[in-house]
Amino acid sequence: AQSVTQLDSQVPVFEEAPVELRCNYSSSVSVYLFWYVQYPNQGLQLLLKYLSGSTLVESINGFEAEFNKSQTSFHLRKPSVHISDTAEYFCAVSDSGNTPLVFGKGTRLSVIA
Amino acid sequence: KAGVTQTPRYLIKTRGQQVTLSCSPISGHRSVSWYQQTPGQGLQFLFEYFSETQRNKGNFPGRFSGRQFSNSRSEMNVSTLELGDSALYLCASSSSTYEQYFGPGTRLTVT
Repeated sequence: AQSVTQLDSQVPVFEEAPVELRCNYSSSVSVYLFWYVQYPNQGLQLLLKYLSGSTLVESINGFEAEFNKSQTSFHLRKPSVHISDTAEYFCAVSDSGNTPLVFGKGTRLSVIA
Repeated sequence: KAGVTQTPRYLIKTRGQQVTLSCSPISGHRSVSWYQQTPGQGLQFLFEYFSETQRNKGNFPGRFSGRQFSNSRSEMNVSTLELGDSALYLCASSSSTYEQYFGPGTRLTVT
């Protein structure tokens, strides 16, 4: 069965500093990868996704993630964070086909002014 | 398009009672999935319905059940509530397997 590991449960970072949130998944022939963000008292919002093609995917608010098949990783990065990026971030994976999303435990990003 | 809506947003129940949660997907979406979110276990998949049929099921006891109606709206039911059922229950709809849109959730507290 597929599994996802988010190596850091909490990441504090100063405003305008870069950040990387790490995500590793168990090996599979073909996977679809996602990052979701959850703000307090809200549901999850899709941040970005990798389905196929370019291994580097970007979101509209400056986040990017790179699919690395050899390392089974899909780390999320942002070169300069804002206070408004404070939230919990979830990595998720789905095997190709009609299989449910499997989520990591989440990483709480706290941006400090 | 309106997003995924879930009702009620907050619910307090007593052990032993049962509860029904409702989810209205985005118009045109035929797949609805349910997840339980708790601080200890994180996000866990409950089940998925597609065109009124359960397509996938997670590892939850039979007290957790669901259904989907012809208009794609879905309900989930938990019978004989336990304290450990206190959680945020999230519903997600999709038009394809690969992209799910989540509702705001129903926060269930069991006392």
